[in-house]
Amino acid sequence: QLQLQESGPGLVKPSETLSLICSVSGDSIRRRNYNWGWIRQPPGKGLEWIGSLYYSGSTYYNPSLNNRVTISEDTSKNQVSLRVSSVTAADTAVYYCARLSQGEVPRLYYFDYWGQGTLVTVSA
Amino acid sequence: IQMTQSPSSLSAFVGDRVTMTCRASQSISSYLSWFQQKPGKAPKLLIYAASSLQSGVSSRFSGSGSGTDFTLTISSLQLEDVATYYCQQSYSTPWTFGQGTKVEIK
Repeated sequence: QLQLQESGPGLVKPSETLSLICSVSGDSIRRRNYNWGWIRQPPGKGLEWIGSLYYSGSTYYNPSLNNRVTISEDTSKNQVSLRVSSVTAADTAVYYCARLSQGEVPRLYYFDYWGQGTLVTVSA
Repeated sequence: IQMTQSPSSLSAFVGDRVTMTCRASQSISSYLSWFQQKPGKAPKLLIYAASSLQSGVSSRFSGSGSGTDFTLTISSLQLEDVATYYCQQSYSTPWTFGQGTKVEIK
């Protein structure tokens, strides 16, 4: 059974960089057709897609984060990481990592496994 | 692409048939997923490709639609279905979610 677990600092100061790790167990992150994504949810609000990392190595990010996002993988540790630079209070949210599976239809992707999420608060 | 869900909340009796809708601001073919989120928990995938039931999900849940208009139906509402339901398009980036429909029991 695939399991995802987010970890990282729960408190980050404004203007600093938020760094989170998603530890994957139960399978290799480099198995073909496995892709990965990060989604966040501000307290009491809806879900926002942050970005995705594909098996090919390609990454796609939400323009709303103004080029502050980097998603990468560490295959030796079976982890996927997220970095968001120059954070403000607006980046306070629960951050989720999720596996992005590929359907049979070309370009069809869906988030089928999610971590439990980790709350990151941006405050001085 | 903007995703608009309606209603924003609903209340129904146990055993009722419940329907909620999701409308996309432009055609997204069938590139739509539905998620269930209970308080304090991560979202759970219910439906992908607009109408495909995710493995392990109760057959009470069904999805339909294509293009711009989509529907999630719970055939017989149960206590454990109390949650907020989100739709999400993966047709084009940035992928976007609807604002959610909160389901409660009368």
